[in-house]
Order: sequence, then structure tokens, then C-alpha cells
Amino acid sequence: SQTIHQWPATLVQPVGSPLSLECTVEGTSNPNLYWYRQAAGRGLQLLFYSVGIGQISSEVPQNLSASRPQDRQFILSSKKLLLSDSGFYLCAWSADHISGTGNTGELFFGEGSRLTVL
Amino acid sequence: DQQVKQNSPSLSVQEGRISILNCDYTNSMFDYFLWYKKYPAEGPTFLISISSIKDKNEDGRFTVFLNKSAKHLSLHIVPSQPGDSAVYFCAASARSGGSNYKLTFGKGTLLTVNP
Repeated sequence: SQTIHQWPATLVQPVGSPLSLECTVEGTSNPNLYWYRQAAGRGLQLLFYSVGIGQISSEVPQNLSASRPQDRQFILSSKKLLLSDSGFYLCAWSADHISGTGNTGELFFGEGSRLTVL
Repeated sequence: DQQVKQNSPSLSVQEGRISILNCDYTNSMFDYFLWYKKYPAEGPTFLISISSIKDKNEDGRFTVFLNKSAKHLSLHIVPSQPGDSAVYFCAASARSGGSNYKLTFGKGTLLTVNP
């Protein structure tokens, strides 16, 4: 069965410090990978998605970047955190849409990472 | 510009009664809709979905209704149980456009089911 895991679960960082959140998926190949952020009163905002290794699409301009060094690894980074980067970050995966038979388009989310920037 | 809107930030119902969560969308390219349930400090979990070729999909206590002409969908939970208390997110995608891997989420509705 497929699993998704992200870490760390909780992070408290000072303004201006770097960030690295990591996400890995097991039990599937060539997944589509996503980073979402849930900020207060703003629902789930898509930050980045990736349909393959090295392929990253950014949905909103921001202080963050993403990388996909391996098929099932997705990393969210920042060189210098801002106060506004605080939030609950969620990694997710979905089946490759090209292989689509039975693909419901459903996203499977990780446990989330709570980032507090002070 | 919010393409998926959940205009009620919260809803409170009595145990055993029906919960109705509403969602509106503006993008006419959306043809697949999903509901997710989220507990605090956890990732959302998939609940139920509906394709635009249907107007109703049922799974146990959960039913989703789609009104394409009104660009409106709703999630009915009956009977509601205290364990249903969570934030419910509506999501939509434009699958036929080849971007079915992108979901657009609403802001969520906090459902509280009182014993």
C-alpha cells in the first residue's frame, strides 16, 4: 500500500533562518507531488506541484522553493524565512494522470508540518 | 480570485440530524469535485467525490449533490455523529483539460456535531 510521510512535524524558526521540509512517498511510482499550505482563514493553498523528477511548477510567487531530487521525494525550502511563512504545510501525492484508469484524481496527504516563524 | 467558495466558515448541528455543507465554484472547466475531511494537526483525508456527468453520489451516510447549472455542490451527512466534527474542504479539478492533477480547494467549513 502507498504511504506518504513528511517531517519534521513541528518547527519553530527565527525570521531569516533557512527552512527544509521533506516528504517521501512509498508504494507507488511516478506520483504527482504537491506542497500545500493551510494558513489561518485561507484554506488550502497550492504552493508547488511536480509531475516528475526536476519538474516543479509554482502556483504563487513567494519566499519558498521546491525541489524533487528523486521520483518519490519532494522538498520545500527557503533561504530566509519571513513571519508570513508561518502555517501548516502539507505534502500530498496523486496518481500519474496519464496512467489514469481508475485514477480518481484524489490527493493523499501527509501528516502535515507546523511551522512557526518568530 | 477564489474559484471554489465555501461561504460558511462554520456549521453546528445536533447529533442525529442532517449536516449540509455547501460549496460554489466559478470555473466552468471544473468537472470533478471532491470533499475532504480534516482534523486539527492532521492531513486532510478523502471523503467522497463526484464527476460532472452525475448529479448525485452516495457513500453510506455521505451524499454529494451537484448542480452544474448553478455551479453548486453540497455534502449531506445523515445522521450526523460527534466524530464527524472536523473541517470539511470542497475541492475541484478540470480533468478533461488534462490538468486533473491540480485540485483547487475552498477555505473549508468547520462542522461541529453536538451530542
